[in-house]
Amino acid sequence: GENVEQHPSTLSVQEGDSAVIKCTYSDSASNYFPWYKQELGKRPQLIIDIRSNVGEKKDQRIAVTLNKTAKHFSLHITETQPEDSAVYFCAASGGGSNYKLTFGKGTLLTVNP
Amino acid sequence: DSGVTQTPKHLITATGQRVTLRCSPRSGDLSVYWYQQSLDQGLQFLIQYYNGEERAKGNILERFSAQQFPDLHSELNLSSLELGDSALYFCASSDLAGGHTQYFGPGTRLTVL
Repeated sequence: GENVEQHPSTLSVQEGDSAVIKCTYSDSASNYFPWYKQELGKRPQLIIDIRSNVGEKKDQRIAVTLNKTAKHFSLHITETQPEDSAVYFCAASGGGSNYKLTFGKGTLLTVNP
Repeated sequence: DSGVTQTPKHLITATGQRVTLRCSPRSGDLSVYWYQQSLDQGLQFLIQYYNGEERAKGNILERFSAQQFPDLHSELNLSSLELGDSALYFCASSDLAGGHTQYFGPGTRLTVL
């Protein structure tokens, strides 16, 4: 089955700096890659996603890149703010008749004011 | 607010007991997914239903079962509870028109004493 590795597990940056979180996946059939932000005790919230026919997608300060050949994708957050502090999860989904998500272990991002 | 609702928010019970968690998907979504989140295992897919039928199974124990009713709400039944079943249980929903995109409910925090 699919396996998703996520790095780093913790990331601390100064306000205004950029943050990059990287994930690799194992199943070449995976074709959908969402990123979720989760604050303590809350639901995972979708912040951006990318499909395998696209190499890059941007939404204001957040961008995701996908390299299908290398089977890795990354989340980039620019001009970080304290409210960006949370746990970020990457996930992969293989399509077919079900769209279950396989998640990475998460990255705790701390943005220091 | 994702539009996905879950009840109850918190559940405290004893080992050996049985509980039922309830999920109502977003209006129009036919698919419901259940995930378990624990500190040691992360976010793990349990089971998916689509329009009343089981579509995919993940790491779901035999003591756990689920169903989706004609009105599309879903219930996750956990029996013979053990201390290790303590976790956050999330349900998510998606529709075909939206592709794979899954929206998560607020979760049920289960504590087994």
